Amino acid sequence: EVQLVQSGAEVKKPGESLKISCQPYGYDFSNYWIGWVRQTPGKGPEWLGVIYPGDSDTRYNPSFQGQVTISADKSIRTALLQWRRLKASDTAIYYCARGISGHPLDAYDIWGQGTMVTVSS
Amino acid sequence: QSVLTQPPSASGTPGESVTISCSGSYSNIGSNFVHWYRQFPGTAPELLIHKNNQRSSGVSDRFSASKSGTSASLTISGLRSEDEADYYCAPWDDSLRHVVFGGGTKLTVL
Repeated sequence: EVQLVQSGAEVKKPGESLKISCQPYGYDFSNYWIGWVRQTPGKGPEWLGVIYPGDSDTRYNPSFQGQVTISADKSIRTALLQWRRLKASDTAIYYCARGISGHPLDAYDIWGQGTMVTVSS
Repeated sequence: QSVLTQPPSASGTPGESVTISCSGSYSNIGSNFVHWYRQFPGTAPELLIHKNNQRSSGVSDRFSASKSGTSASLTISGLRSEDEADYYCAPWDDSLRHVVFGGGTKLTVL
Protein backbone atom coordinates (compact mmCIF):
# COMPACT_ATOMS: atom_id res chain seq x y z
CA GLU A 1 0.00 0.00 0.00
CA VAL A 2 1.29 3.42 -0.93
CA GLN A 3 1.37 5.64 2.12
CA LEU A 4 3.26 8.37 3.92
CA VAL A 5 3.84 7.97 7.64
CA GLN A 6 4.73 11.04 9.67
CA SER A 7 6.43 11.37 13.03
CA GLY A 8 4.41 11.93 16.17
CA ALA A 9 3.06 15.04 17.85
CA GLU A 10 5.52 17.52 19.32
CA VAL A 11 5.25 20.05 22.13
CA LYS A 12 8.01 22.65 22.17
CA LYS A 13 8.86 25.99 23.69
CA PRO A 14 9.41 29.17 21.67
CA GLY A 15 12.99 29.39 20.46
CA GLU A 16 13.55 25.64 20.40
CA SER A 17 14.45 23.72 17.28
CA LEU A 18 12.46 20.88 15.76
CA LYS A 19 12.63 18.38 12.95
CA ILE A 20 9.61 16.32 11.86
CA SER A 21 9.72 13.47 9.39
CA CYS A 22 7.72 11.85 6.63
CA GLN A 23 8.48 8.30 5.55
CA PRO A 24 7.15 6.82 2.31
CA TYR A 25 6.03 3.23 1.81
CA GLY A 26 5.11 1.34 -1.29
CA TYR A 27 6.71 3.51 -3.97
CA ASP A 28 10.06 4.82 -5.16
CA PHE A 29 10.79 7.75 -2.83
CA SER A 30 13.29 9.35 -5.20
CA ASN A 31 10.92 9.79 -8.12
CA TYR A 32 8.03 11.79 -6.66
CA TRP A 33 7.86 15.32 -5.31
CA ILE A 34 6.99 15.63 -1.61
CA GLY A 35 5.15 18.74 -0.51
CA TRP A 36 4.56 20.15 2.96
CA VAL A 37 1.30 21.82 3.97
CA ARG A 38 0.31 23.28 7.32
CA GLN A 39 -3.14 23.86 8.73
CA THR A 40 -4.33 25.64 11.84
CA PRO A 41 -7.69 24.72 13.42
CA GLY A 42 -10.64 26.05 11.49
CA LYS A 43 -8.50 27.44 8.67
CA GLY A 44 -7.60 26.34 5.19
CA PRO A 45 -4.30 24.67 4.34
CA GLU A 46 -1.15 26.68 3.57
CA TRP A 47 1.57 25.38 1.25
CA LEU A 48 5.08 25.58 2.66
CA GLY A 49 7.11 24.10 -0.16
CA VAL A 50 8.07 21.00 -2.10
CA ILE A 51 11.14 18.84 -2.63
CA TYR A 52 12.21 16.28 -5.21
CA PRO A 53 14.14 13.66 -3.22
CA GLY A 54 15.94 12.42 -6.32
CA ASP A 55 18.09 15.54 -6.57
CA SER A 56 16.87 17.62 -3.58
CA ASP A 57 15.46 20.32 -5.88
CA THR A 58 13.41 22.41 -3.43
CA ARG A 59 10.85 25.17 -3.95
CA TYR A 60 9.59 27.30 -1.06
CA ASN A 61 6.57 29.44 -0.48
CA PRO A 62 8.29 32.86 -0.23
CA SER A 63 6.32 33.51 2.97
CA PHE A 64 8.02 30.55 4.64
CA GLN A 65 11.48 30.69 3.10
CA GLY A 66 13.99 31.19 5.86
CA GLN A 67 11.42 30.14 8.45
CA VAL A 68 11.53 26.41 7.71
CA THR A 69 13.93 24.05 5.97
CA ILE A 70 12.70 21.24 3.73
CA SER A 71 15.08 18.39 3.05
CA ALA A 72 15.19 14.74 2.03
CA ASP A 73 17.58 11.98 2.98
CA LYS A 74 17.56 9.28 0.32
CA SER A 75 19.70 6.95 2.43
CA ILE A 76 16.94 6.62 5.02
CA ARG A 77 14.09 7.39 2.60
CA THR A 78 12.77 10.23 4.68
CA ALA A 79 11.58 13.76 4.00
CA LEU A 80 12.14 16.32 6.73
CA LEU A 81 10.72 19.66 7.78
CA GLN A 82 12.71 21.59 10.33
CA TRP A 83 12.76 24.80 12.31
CA ARG A 84 15.79 26.42 13.96
CA ARG A 85 13.78 28.68 16.28
CA LEU A 86 10.12 27.93 16.76
CA LYS A 87 7.51 30.60 17.38
CA ALA A 88 4.07 30.27 18.91
CA SER A 89 2.63 31.06 15.49
CA ASP A 90 4.16 27.81 14.17
CA THR A 91 1.54 25.87 16.13
CA ALA A 92 -0.35 23.85 13.52
CA ILE A 93 -0.83 20.44 11.97
CA TYR A 94 1.81 19.75 9.34
CA TYR A 95 1.13 17.35 6.48
CA CYS A 96 3.49 15.87 3.94
CA ALA A 97 2.00 14.81 0.64
CA ARG A 98 3.22 13.08 -2.53
CA GLY A 99 3.03 14.83 -5.86
CA ILE A 100 0.92 12.93 -8.35
CA SER A 101 3.40 13.40 -11.18
CA GLY A 102 6.91 14.53 -11.97
CA HIS A 103 5.89 18.18 -12.06
CA PRO A 104 6.57 20.25 -8.91
CA LEU A 105 3.32 22.17 -9.21
CA ASP A 106 1.00 19.21 -9.62
CA ALA A 107 -1.59 17.96 -7.16
CA TYR A 108 -0.89 15.74 -4.14
CA ASP A 109 -2.48 12.30 -4.24
CA ILE A 110 -1.10 10.65 -1.10
CA TRP A 111 -1.06 12.43 2.24
CA GLY A 112 0.56 11.66 5.55
CA GLN A 113 -1.57 11.50 8.66
CA GLY A 114 -0.29 14.85 9.90
CA THR A 115 2.01 15.92 12.73
CA MET A 116 0.62 18.24 15.38
CA VAL A 117 3.20 20.79 16.47
CA THR A 118 2.41 22.85 19.55
CA VAL A 119 4.67 25.73 20.51
CA SER A 120 3.90 27.19 23.90
CA SER A 121 5.81 28.60 26.81
CA GLN B 1 -7.42 35.85 3.76
CA SER B 2 -7.08 33.71 0.64
CA VAL B 3 -6.68 35.13 -2.86
CA LEU B 4 -9.27 32.55 -3.87
CA THR B 5 -12.90 33.02 -2.95
CA GLN B 6 -15.07 30.06 -2.04
CA PRO B 7 -18.48 30.24 -0.38
CA PRO B 8 -17.94 29.35 3.29
CA SER B 9 -20.86 26.96 3.22
CA ALA B 10 -23.04 24.98 0.85
CA SER B 11 -25.86 22.55 1.42
CA GLY B 12 -28.18 20.18 -0.31
CA THR B 13 -30.49 17.26 0.29
CA PRO B 14 -29.67 13.65 -0.55
CA GLY B 15 -29.84 13.01 -4.27
CA GLU B 16 -29.48 16.65 -5.26
CA SER B 17 -26.54 18.20 -7.05
CA VAL B 18 -24.42 20.89 -5.44
CA THR B 19 -21.84 23.13 -7.08
CA ILE B 20 -19.03 24.78 -5.15
CA SER B 21 -17.36 27.75 -6.80
CA CYS B 22 -13.80 29.01 -6.58
CA SER B 23 -13.08 32.50 -7.88
CA GLY B 24 -9.57 33.78 -8.44
CA SER B 25 -7.54 35.81 -10.86
CA TYR B 26 -5.40 35.47 -13.96
CA SER B 27 -2.28 34.72 -11.94
CA ASN B 28 -3.79 31.63 -10.33
CA ILE B 29 -6.88 30.01 -11.83
CA GLY B 30 -6.53 31.92 -15.08
CA SER B 31 -3.06 30.55 -15.79
CA ASN B 32 -2.75 27.25 -13.98
CA PHE B 33 -4.45 23.95 -13.31
CA VAL B 34 -6.94 23.83 -10.45
CA HIS B 35 -6.99 20.90 -8.05
CA TRP B 36 -9.77 20.09 -5.61
CA TYR B 37 -9.40 18.45 -2.20
CA ARG B 38 -11.88 17.11 0.30
CA GLN B 39 -11.21 17.03 4.02
CA PHE B 40 -13.17 15.28 6.73
CA PRO B 41 -12.82 16.58 10.31
CA GLY B 42 -9.65 15.40 11.96
CA THR B 43 -8.18 13.86 8.83
CA ALA B 44 -5.77 14.86 6.11
CA PRO B 45 -7.03 16.39 2.86
CA GLU B 46 -7.59 13.96 0.02
CA LEU B 47 -7.34 14.66 -3.69
CA LEU B 48 -10.62 14.60 -5.62
CA ILE B 49 -9.83 16.35 -8.89
CA HIS B 50 -6.52 17.36 -10.48
CA LYS B 51 -5.70 19.35 -13.59
CA ASN B 52 -9.08 21.11 -13.63
CA ASN B 53 -11.27 18.11 -14.31
CA GLN B 54 -9.37 14.82 -13.89
CA ARG B 55 -10.79 12.60 -11.18
CA SER B 56 -8.20 11.11 -8.89
CA SER B 57 -7.93 7.33 -8.78
CA GLY B 58 -10.89 5.76 -6.99
CA VAL B 59 -12.97 8.94 -6.85
CA SER B 60 -16.64 8.48 -7.68
CA ASP B 61 -17.93 9.84 -10.98
CA ARG B 62 -20.44 11.80 -8.90
CA PHE B 63 -17.62 14.34 -8.59
CA SER B 64 -16.87 16.56 -11.56
CA ALA B 65 -15.15 19.90 -12.01
CA SER B 66 -14.57 22.56 -14.60
CA LYS B 67 -12.73 25.80 -15.13
CA SER B 68 -13.56 28.89 -17.13
CA GLY B 69 -11.43 31.99 -17.16
CA THR B 70 -10.59 32.91 -13.59
CA SER B 71 -13.22 30.70 -11.96
CA ALA B 72 -13.50 27.02 -11.26
CA SER B 73 -16.25 24.85 -9.87
CA LEU B 74 -16.75 21.45 -8.31
CA THR B 75 -20.06 19.66 -8.74
CA ILE B 76 -21.22 16.79 -6.58
CA SER B 77 -24.20 14.96 -7.98
CA GLY B 78 -26.42 12.44 -6.21
CA LEU B 79 -25.53 13.99 -2.87
CA ARG B 80 -24.99 11.57 0.01
CA SER B 81 -24.61 12.13 3.74
CA GLU B 82 -21.00 10.95 3.52
CA ASP B 83 -20.21 13.90 1.25
CA GLU B 84 -20.34 16.20 4.27
CA ALA B 85 -16.84 17.64 4.45
CA ASP B 86 -14.76 20.71 3.71
CA TYR B 87 -13.79 21.26 0.08
CA TYR B 88 -10.80 23.30 -1.12
CA CYS B 89 -9.65 24.49 -4.51
CA ALA B 90 -5.88 24.82 -4.96
CA PRO B 91 -4.07 26.21 -8.00
CA TRP B 92 -0.55 27.58 -8.27
CA ASP B 93 -0.27 31.36 -8.24
CA ASP B 94 2.29 32.84 -10.63
CA SER B 95 2.47 36.19 -8.81
CA LEU B 96 2.75 34.80 -5.29
CA ARG B 97 4.92 31.90 -6.50
CA HIS B 98 3.27 29.29 -4.36
CA VAL B 99 0.25 26.98 -4.23
CA VAL B 100 -2.78 28.80 -2.90
CA PHE B 101 -5.75 27.18 -1.21
CA GLY B 102 -9.23 28.59 -1.20
CA GLY B 103 -10.80 29.40 2.14
CA GLY B 104 -12.78 26.19 1.95
CA THR B 105 -16.46 25.36 1.65
CA LYS B 106 -18.20 23.36 4.33
CA LEU B 107 -20.76 21.11 2.69
CA THR B 108 -23.78 20.06 4.72
CA VAL B 109 -26.19 17.38 3.56
CA LEU B 110 -29.58 18.24 5.02
